[in-house]
Amino acid sequence: EAQVTQNPRYLITVTGKKLTVTCSQNMNHEYMSWYRQDPGLGLRQIYYSMNVEVTDKGDVPEGYKVSRKEKRNFPLILESPSPNQTSLYFCASSLATRLFTDTQYFGPGTRLTVL
Amino acid sequence: AQSVAQPEDQVNVAEGNPLTVKCTYSVSGNPYLFWYVQYPNRGLQFLLKYITGDNLVKGSYGFEAEFNKSQTSFHLKKPSALVSDSALYFCAVSFTGNQFYFGTGTSLTVIP
Repeated sequence: EAQVTQNPRYLITVTGKKLTVTCSQNMNHEYMSWYRQDPGLGLRQIYYSMNVEVTDKGDVPEGYKVSRKEKRNFPLILESPSPNQTSLYFCASSLATRLFTDTQYFGPGTRLTVL
Repeated sequence: AQSVAQPEDQVNVAEGNPLTVKCTYSVSGNPYLFWYVQYPNRGLQFLLKYITGDNLVKGSYGFEAEFNKSQTSFHLKKPSALVSDSALYFCAVSFTGNQFYFGTGTSLTVIP
């Protein structure tokens, strides 16, 4: 089954404790992206990647890191989480051409709480 | 700045009536426009998109949307609403093809 998977689905942590949220897709998509969803703010793009070893900042990259060492994986790293990073996080992937990125397929989400 | 707006947080419509969920975007080149739907405790699912060509695009589950360049709008429509259409709807725009801007979402409730 074609899908985007995220782990963990739920995470409660404390301020300053490094964490990684994994994202994997089995559709051989070039493009992958991370979003956070907050009430009243909709989805905001954190980082995106057009291909292996190619990453770029989205609208709200502060406090986050990503890496794209393999095509299928795109982990989101919070090196020193803070309470304002409490949010619902979504990973997405898409086919990409030279001109544009097509329909995105979203993972089920990771609900992160930073105390 | 590039952005997208969904002016209504909540839309209520009676089952069987037509529904409209509004979306406008700020102008910066030629946009790629998308609608996604989110059901409770789920990720977003694609509904339809406008990339180029015919301004009226048809998508999944009987939804359609019309790209209006002069009004910078991309409203989502359906002729006859179903209770199962109740969900959170997001409009998204991209001008570069890789950076996306989502609206704040519109919660649609279809009343039986």
